Amino acid sequence: GAGVSQSPSNKVTEKGKDVELRCDPISGHTALYWYRQSLGQGLEFLIYFQGNSAPDKSGLPSDRFSAERTGGSVSTLTIQRTQQEDSAVYLCASGAGAGYNEQFFGPGTRLTVL
Amino acid sequence: AQTVTQSQPEMSVQEAETVTLSCTYDTSENNYYLFWYKQPPSRQMILVIRQEAYKQQNATENRFSVNFQKAAKSFSLKISDSQLGDTAMYFCAFMKHSNNDMRFGAGTRLTVKP
Repeated sequence: GAGVSQSPSNKVTEKGKDVELRCDPISGHTALYWYRQSLGQGLEFLIYFQGNSAPDKSGLPSDRFSAERTGGSVSTLTIQRTQQEDSAVYLCASGAGAGYNEQFFGPGTRLTVL
Repeated sequence: AQTVTQSQPEMSVQEAETVTLSCTYDTSENNYYLFWYKQPPSRQMILVIRQEAYKQQNATENRFSVNFQKAAKSFSLKISDSQLGDTAMYFCAFMKHSNNDMRFGAGTRLTVKP
């Protein structure tokens, strides 16, 4: 596809379970971001990948959150031992590079932790 | 840390009228980028307009323009000739030139009324 895709679009899980959220960036984009958007809130930066550089993990809220980017393309955000406060929309964005370049967002994954 | 403040949680405007959305930010940086993103009910984030801090000229994209006041750390968005399709959440965002941590405001929900 031409845009950023994310799967699943919706995920309902039970407290304490692990979840994996997937992001397929635009082909050729070296930058990939993950954000969290809680209900009625702005976007909270989670993690940033740029090429082969070490990711910027400064936004991850706890050690239950981790992310990988394989082969400089697909990324997976993993949340272990989910809590109810993890319920949010998780957005992925990709870009051709850092800074001024536009970030193209995916449609997001709505995570609900019961 | 950089913070972005949008002081208007909700706004409305009549179709074809002009509306201005406010955004202020706090930073000690001199080089940075500012963005306005639109998020319609579809949840898809779309870049509306962007500004580089070193440029004094205000950015303009068709009906969208900004009033960038660097000394006041203000970055407002003006939408002229409002259209029904402009109904969305609008997020102001800040990115330092030196890294890739994008900070978003809490958003302003804009409703364009027929």
